[in-house]
Amino acid sequence: GIQVEQSPPDLILQEGANSTLRCNFSDSVNNLQWFHQNPWGQLINLFYIPSGTKQNGRLSATTVATERYSLLYISSSQTTDSGVYFCAVTEKLVFGKGTKLTVNP
Amino acid sequence: NAGVTQTPKFQVLKTGQSMTLQCAQDMNHNSMYWYRQDPGMGLRLIYYSASEGTTDKGEVPNGYNVSRLNKREFSLRLESAAPSQTSVYFCASRDRGSRNTIYFGEGSWLTVV
Repeated sequence: GIQVEQSPPDLILQEGANSTLRCNFSDSVNNLQWFHQNPWGQLINLFYIPSGTKQNGRLSATTVATERYSLLYISSSQTTDSGVYFCAVTEKLVFGKGTKLTVNP
Repeated sequence: NAGVTQTPKFQVLKTGQSMTLQCAQDMNHNSMYWYRQDPGMGLRLIYYSASEGTTDKGEVPNGYNVSRLNKREFSLRLESAAPSQTSVYFCASRDRGSRNTIYFGEGSWLTVV
């Protein structure tokens, strides 16, 4: 089956810093989603982005489908951005293991 | 609009007992999912349903059964619980429209002793 790898596994930032999270996948996909899981376990869908670039406030995402990767950018990070960020691909939503982000005040 | 509702939220089972996790969505979505989440493992798909009456195995289906009797509800059954099934279980549904948004339930914490 398709493999999904996320990097880095852990990231610690000071409030106000920018960050880039990466998602690599092993085969072509027509569905790619980014999610945020907050420290209380709630999962929120951030982006549906099988290709191209989207922006939503301080977050943006880019997927280069031909090169099999996607990037999630977080600018001017806030403590509320802390949690785990997942990407998931394909109709069945195969998840990567996530990037745990900690934003310190 | 309640979104995706899972019950129960917490459950403790003894090894060998059976139980059903219930999931319902009120958004008229066709696709529904059951995942388990274990520390350091991310979310792993147990079963997937593309539409009412259809189900498909995911990455970790052993020890589980599912039922999609109508469009709203997708239940997950553990016939004979094992300690290895101690986990947090998430149900999700998918809006196949232009936004293609996934909605998750709040999770069900299951402990098998």
